[in-house]
Amino acid sequence: ETGVTQSPTHLIKTRGQQVTLRCSSQSGHNTVSWYQQALGQGPQFIFQYYREEENGRGNFPPRFSGLQFPNYSSELNVNALELDDSALYLCASSLRGDSYEQYFGPGTRLTVT
Amino acid sequence: AQSVTQLGSHVSVSEGALVLLRCNYSSSVPPYLFWYVQYPNQGLQLLLKYTSAATLVKGINGFEAEFKKSETSFHLTKPSAHMSDAAEYFCAVSGLSGGYQKVTFGTGTKLQVIP
Repeated sequence: ETGVTQSPTHLIKTRGQQVTLRCSSQSGHNTVSWYQQALGQGPQFIFQYYREEENGRGNFPPRFSGLQFPNYSSELNVNALELDDSALYLCASSLRGDSYEQYFGPGTRLTVT
Repeated sequence: AQSVTQLGSHVSVSEGALVLLRCNYSSSVPPYLFWYVQYPNQGLQLLLKYTSAATLVKGINGFEAEFKKSETSFHLTKPSAHMSDAAEYFCAVSGLSGGYQKVTFGTGTKLQVIP
């Protein structure tokens, strides 16, 4: 059973640029959620995808967008990067209906300068 | 609306001492509750979960938690701390919200284990 993987591990971008983060879900999982974890804080929910459609969103602006593909892998796109976007971005996969136990990837550390 | 409050952002215990990390939740529906552990520069690993079965839940690495509905609490305990337990711990509540299963995390408790 393959766990959740994320790429890249680390990323440095300049303010105003765009970034794409990738996530490969655990085998058999049909739901993926993305979280932003700023330094010293708990994960904040960005959005969730189920069967390639966004079905839940946290308090994040539209410049945060995502995709889920038929193989349940996923992307998080952030446009017009701001300094406050610097954080650890976590992807979590789950099986809808299975108590929503989420399996987390190792995260992508994004630094915006 | 659902929320989680973790009391104490930092907790220090001596090696071999009892570990107690506190979590109180608020949820308008019967919740699922979780404890996750995060080591530096890593993702979150599930320690244990409560899904309306037994109120005392046993997890990995000797941790357990007790669901107390009357106190809206889900405190995490371990009888004897090991050096390897030093990490950050997050309590989370999950419930249906607007048609999807929403997970809300607490702000975390950093556990320090003193030799």
